[in-house]
Amino acid sequence: GENVEQHPSTLSVQEGDSAVIKCTYSDSASNYFPWYKQELGKRPQLIIDIRSNVGEKKDQRIAVTLNKTAKHFSLHITETQPEDSAVYFCAASSSNTGKLIFGQGTTLQVKP
Amino acid sequence: DVKVTQSSRYLVKRTGEKVFLECVQDMDHENMFWYRQDPGLGLRLIYFSYDVKMKEKGDIPEGYSVSREKKERFSLILESASTNQTSMYLCASSLRQNEQFFGPGTRLTVL
Repeated sequence: GENVEQHPSTLSVQEGDSAVIKCTYSDSASNYFPWYKQELGKRPQLIIDIRSNVGEKKDQRIAVTLNKTAKHFSLHITETQPEDSAVYFCAASSSNTGKLIFGQGTTLQVKP
Repeated sequence: DVKVTQSSRYLVKRTGEKVFLECVQDMDHENMFWYRQDPGLGLRLIYFSYDVKMKEKGDIPEGYSVSREKKERFSLILESASTNQTSMYLCASSLRQNEQFFGPGTRLTVL
């Protein structure tokens, strides 16, 4: 069935460094790829998303790239700050029902 | 500002009890979702609904049922709670294939 694999499961970086999280998806019909951030004890919140008609999208320190041929997409965070510490989830969707398949999550720790 | 609310933040039930978790959204979203979140397993979809009285199974529907009688309300039902259903339950809503807005979650413990 549909599957999204996310790596790494944990990531520790020094403040100011960049962080990259990668996801691969199995359903070639997937056309919507959001990223969610979940801080400890809080609900997941969308930080950036990309649709299949573009290859890259950027919002300040956050960027997402999409390679449809290889069926993978990545989240890039530059100039990391301690407040970026959280669990990040990638997801993929192929349906107008909005159904998302989530990756397993990456726990990012940014050390001051 | 979208608001998704869940009926309880914490719930403790006994094995075999019938459990109702309720979710309400105020943005007229047609899509609503129930997930469970367990460490290392991410967010797994239990059921979703794309319209009133419409429902579809997600990846882990066994042991659960749902009800959507009104557009703003989506209920998750555990017919006979078991200890392996101890988890964090998250509700979400969305407009078509767009951002999902999550509720605060219900941490359910089944003893």
